[in-house]
Amino acid sequence: DAGITQSPRHKVTETGTPVTLRCHQTENHRYMYWYRQDPGHGLRLIHYSYGVKDTDKGEVSDGYSVSRSKTEDFLLTLESATSSQTSVYFCAIRDFNEQFFGPGTRLTVL
Amino acid sequence: ELKVEQNPLFLSMQEGKNYTIYCNYSTTSDRLYWYRQDPGKSLESLFVLLSNGAVKQEGRLMASLDTKARLSTLHITAAVHDLSATYFCAVDMDNYQLIWGAGTKLIIKP
Repeated sequence: DAGITQSPRHKVTETGTPVTLRCHQTENHRYMYWYRQDPGHGLRLIHYSYGVKDTDKGEVSDGYSVSRSKTEDFLLTLESATSSQTSVYFCAIRDFNEQFFGPGTRLTVL
Repeated sequence: ELKVEQNPLFLSMQEGKNYTIYCNYSTTSDRLYWYRQDPGKSLESLFVLLSNGAVKQEGRLMASLDTKARLSTLHITAAVHDLSATYFCAVDMDNYQLIWGAGTKLIIKP
């Protein structure tokens, strides 16, 4: 257990509403990642962070923004949710050469 | 652009049999990861392969990496029902961003 929690674990929202997902870690890891998982696609990187206020885009960043104001928290925001953002979202941390994952957030956009 | 292909994507097999899952990738990398995911759960790190010729074994699973062929294999020996899961490989893009295969869903029948 890498001490990673995600909140909320499940969320149903409507198209056009803003949504923020939170990833919290307890072990002071520098690198944190947000992925989405969809059937047939494996995981795809949305954004990642390499330190407080240091973030960069992944391969599917359109429609998402992130913030990291404290080492322990990495927030993912959908400014205006769309049905195509219905997915399972995983947060991860990097510890040496490995990435360890949080429990995931299942987001449904109606 | 790095692409990662797993095959097969679906595998149904009998207990006691051996089988191999393949992971091919399109550009140079010498870091490859294998993860396991149970239905509705998060991802669990299985193996970290960090150099050409790396081989790691854990119980009935053995993973290997051939960076020249851009190929990794996950071999299952004498399969048991508890190994039923989806297995993912992921390749490192030199900056600890991972590109993921689509996953192999493995069903082992008693």
